[in-house]
Amino acid sequence: DTEVTQTPKHLVMGMTNKKSLKCEQHMGHRAMYWYKQKAKKPPELMFVYSYEKLSINESVPSRFSPECPNSSLLNLHLHALQPEDSALYLCASSPGQRGTEAFFGQGTRLTVV
Amino acid sequence: QKEVEQNSGPLSVPEGAIASLNCTYSDRGSQSFFWYRQYSGKSPELIMSIYSNGDKEDGRFTAQLNKASQYVSLLIRDSQPSDSATYLCAVNGGSQGNLIFGKGTKLSVKP
Repeated sequence: DTEVTQTPKHLVMGMTNKKSLKCEQHMGHRAMYWYKQKAKKPPELMFVYSYEKLSINESVPSRFSPECPNSSLLNLHLHALQPEDSALYLCASSPGQRGTEAFFGQGTRLTVV
Repeated sequence: QKEVEQNSGPLSVPEGAIASLNCTYSDRGSQSFFWYRQYSGKSPELIMSIYSNGDKEDGRFTAQLNKASQYVSLLIRDSQPSDSATYLCAVNGGSQGNLIFGKGTKLSVKP
């Protein structure tokens, strides 16, 4: 089973709202990732959690706040977003060792109005 | 700065033909290489991984790696309209398993 589940699939939020994106995997993977993808662009890395600890933050604005409650779950808390933050937000997981395959969830299509 | 380069296309091939997708990478120390397929509005789906020089075949897909030339390719035999998608080349970017993606090549298979 190579399934990574993301909820919600679609989200529309105002600039003053607070919302959260959720991601879950049951493959025993120890690394989880958030990527952001704009239209006609490749995915861009935002955060990496390794063994439930934040190991990479790619200079992401503080209005994005990641959280890893346990080894299976990854959240992305959103607050005071801007319209330019509208994008497809992708969660992925991998066994964590260098060079291993990463599997993506179906993504959350976020629109900020 | 590690980089992955792909021709953005679009690449158009007739149904039944071989589609050839190419990718180069800048970091000579890269060890792991991946091809993802992404349909419009969907998330990337892993279709091939390759770690050693040479060819790796899986069904209609063949990945080729040449580390000396820092070159990775994906061949799709007997292309079908359902293969029409954007193909992303990715290289392992660090010890945490994060990926560096090329810009993707859009493939169109015409019936």
